[in-house]
Amino acid sequence: GDSVTQTEGQVALSEEDFLTIHCNYSASGYPALFWYVQYPGEGPQFLFRASRDKEKGSSRGFEATYNKEATSFHLQKASVQESDSAVYYCALSDLPGTGSNRLTFGKGTKFSLIP
Amino acid sequence: VTLLEQNPRWRLVPRGQAVNLRCILKNSQYPWMSWYQQDLQKQLQWLFTLRSPGDKEVKSLPGADYLATRVTDTELRLQVANMSQGRTLYCTCSPGTGGAGNTLYFGEGSRLIVV
Repeated sequence: GDSVTQTEGQVALSEEDFLTIHCNYSASGYPALFWYVQYPGEGPQFLFRASRDKEKGSSRGFEATYNKEATSFHLQKASVQESDSAVYYCALSDLPGTGSNRLTFGKGTKFSLIP
Repeated sequence: VTLLEQNPRWRLVPRGQAVNLRCILKNSQYPWMSWYQQDLQKQLQWLFTLRSPGDKEVKSLPGADYLATRVTDTELRLQVANMSQGRTLYCTCSPGTGGAGNTLYFGEGSRLIVV
């Protein structure tokens, strides 16, 4: 079945550092790819998506580019702030554009700022 | 803008007792409604997508049994039974059609704690 593998566990950086969270996927079709962010005590929030090879998604200073050959969709941000501390989820939908609500999520990566 | 209203936000559930959850859709432009569970390890997993009033589905997963019902165009319910481990249940909605049809928007969740 479809699966998503992302940077395991926790990432800790200093303010203004460059953040990368790796995401690789395995799918039989041509999936749409997503990033979600979850703050403590809240539901996951949609960050952005990409639906085709080489498409870049971006929001709030974060970005990721769909790489079909490498089956990747790595999340990056150039200069992290305290407000970016959260859990980030990579996800895929194996039925793009058909209205399927079934997303397969990675295990989540917790980002925090080193005090 | 709040798209979904979930209640209760949290509940202590005696072992062996069932609990009923409710989700109200606030914006009819996102009619595809689903339930997702998040376990104690923060893993998100799709449970159901119910598109039409009257739709019902059941599912058994490790740690809980579920019965989902689409009551009306704006109301989704979930009964959780035989829960052995705590979890959080999220209601989601999406446009259902068009290129972004499978972009999910999450409610704030119903956190269930087994006692």
